[in-house]
Order: sequence, then structure tokens, then C-alpha cells
Amino acid sequence: EVRLVESGGGLVQPGGSLRLSCAASGFTFSNYSMNWVRQAPGKRLEWVAYITSSSSTIHYADSVKGRFTISRDNPKNSLYLQMNSLRAEDTAIYYCARTQGAAYGYWGQGTLVTVSS
Amino acid sequence: SYVLTQPPSVSVAPGKTARIACGGNNIGGKSVHWYQQKPGQAPVLVVYDDSDRPSGIPERFSGSYSGNTATLTISRVEAGDEADYYCQMWDSSNNHPVFGGGTKVTVL
Repeated sequence: EVRLVESGGGLVQPGGSLRLSCAASGFTFSNYSMNWVRQAPGKRLEWVAYITSSSSTIHYADSVKGRFTISRDNPKNSLYLQMNSLRAEDTAIYYCARTQGAAYGYWGQGTLVTVSS
Repeated sequence: SYVLTQPPSVSVAPGKTARIACGGNNIGGKSVHWYQQKPGQAPVLVVYDDSDRPSGIPERFSGSYSGNTATLTISRVEAGDEADYYCQMWDSSNNHPVFGGGTKVTVL
């Protein structure tokens, strides 16, 4: 059974940093590209970042470019999102999601990030 | 950037058919994917590549499109189908995915 479990969310002040993790199991993690997708309270889903299986290609949404860094550790079956210079508008539930073609076939349960003073 | 438009809400009686539209300029020819999200839960892929269903998704869920509108159809609606539904496609001009605003399906 495919499982994605996010962790690392919490309350952080504007300008602060946070590192999210996603632990993957039930599939060969190193074979799949992965993503972070977020959802602000009551809002639509918003793709945040993408990384290929070998980390050779990385893309970011314009809203986070230069502030967030996606990475992965294949031997540890883990995906990460380093978030710096956080803003109030970054407040959201952050999901890791496994790519399936141009869709997202599996999602974690999400971790809540709240940016507030 | 590309915009996908969905109606905010759709109401349907149990056993009837719900149709959720997703519109966008020149959507024809682009693959559209659909997700179901129940309150407090993560999204679940219910239709991908316009009309394919992942394993475990009931045949009651189907996708289609005509012109500039993609449609998710839920046949024989059940109370458990009450959820938000999002369409998604790839915006090739900006090289990133785009999600619709979501449609809340209420089972009467």
C-alpha cells in the first residue's frame, strides 16, 4: 500500500523558516517524481514544487521561487521542502503527492503550516 | 496564466446524476484530471487523462469533454459522494499544473 506521511508543520513567525518532510513507503520511491501541493484555508489547491526521481529537474511555482527548496533522499525514501522567508500567504496545508503522468495519483494526509506573529 | 473555471456548487438527489463542469480556453486536446476531497481529508484522484479511472474508483465516476469544457459525471449519486471536486490540467505555456476552483457537491 502506497503511503505518504508529511511532518514538520507548525506555527512560525513571518520571515521565519520551516522544513517539511514526507516519508514514503509501499512503492519504489526512487522511480517516481514527487511534488508539494498546498491548500490555504477554504481555497483551491495550489501546486508548489516538483522534483524528478533523480533530482535532475526541479520546478517551482512563481509564488515560492527563491524562497522554497525541494529536495529528496532516495535511500531514505524521503521528500523535503525547505521554506524560508515565510509570509502570511504561505499559511496552508502542505501535501506531498506522487506524480502519475500529468496527475497526482497519491497524496499524503498533509501538514499544516501557519505563518503568524 | 491558464485559468480553469468550475461552478461553486452542485446539488443532487441520491440516485440521480451529478455533472461538474470545468471550463478553460482551448481545453480541448489537453488532459484533464479530477480529484475528490472530503472535509478534513487529502484529495483523491478519481479520473485521470480525461476519462480513465484509477483502480478502486467506482465506475459511477466518469470523465468527458466537449469543446472548451471537461465534465466529471457521477452516476447514481450516494451520500458518500458529498465532497469538493477539483479539475486539474497542465499549463504548457507556463510549464506547471493548474487547478480549478473546486465544486462542492451536496447530496440532498
